[in-house]
Amino acid sequence: NAGVTQTPKFQVLKTGQSMTLQCAQDMNHNSMYWYRQDPGMGLRLIYYSASEGTTDKGEVPNGYNVSRLNKREFSLRLESAAPSQTSVYFCASNTHTEAFFGQGTRLTVV
Amino acid sequence: KQEVTQIPAALSVPEGENLVLNCSFTDSAIYNLQWFRQDPGKGLTSLLLIQSSQREQTSGRLNASLDKSSGRSTLYIAASQPGDSATYLCPSEEGNNRLAFGKGNQVVVIP
Repeated sequence: NAGVTQTPKFQVLKTGQSMTLQCAQDMNHNSMYWYRQDPGMGLRLIYYSASEGTTDKGEVPNGYNVSRLNKREFSLRLESAAPSQTSVYFCASNTHTEAFFGQGTRLTVV
Repeated sequence: KQEVTQIPAALSVPEGENLVLNCSFTDSAIYNLQWFRQDPGKGLTSLLLIQSSQREQTSGRLNASLDKSSGRSTLYIAASQPGDSATYLCPSEEGNNRLAFGKGNQVVVIP
């Protein structure tokens, strides 16, 4: 039982490049989330998906897109990376009671 | 919008002292509450889950309580150890199973 798996763990992008962060969970959860964590700030919600086929904006969605490919997978795409998107990204899934987090993706945009 | 305040923001204590970490919420309509720890450069590890019918939860040296009427939770760590050094987080629900995070309690336990 792997829980929530994120790939890659580290990535360096040049400004304007695009990339997709992958997330998969094997716990059959309906809800999945993408957060970003910046120094001195709490985790902030980018997008979430309450169920397969649905996605909604969170607190800081600008510059990102998401895809809920199936119940297991929820990907986050940066179409044109900017230095302001340098951050640590966390994927999560939950039941109605308990949340589970991936180990994070450390992204640097230069 | 749910806002989470964690006090103290940072503290350093000598090994062996007890730790008391506080969390407060602007919306006290809380059903479940999880406390997490985060080590530097790592992900979030769940410590304790207080479910909707519970007021507290214990695991080893850790005890977490939740007072829904006041919108406050406390994490108590007995006899602290250097391995307890981490940032502690107590996110709260804000609808659609989303979690709102505070900035955390950053703890350093000095050997």
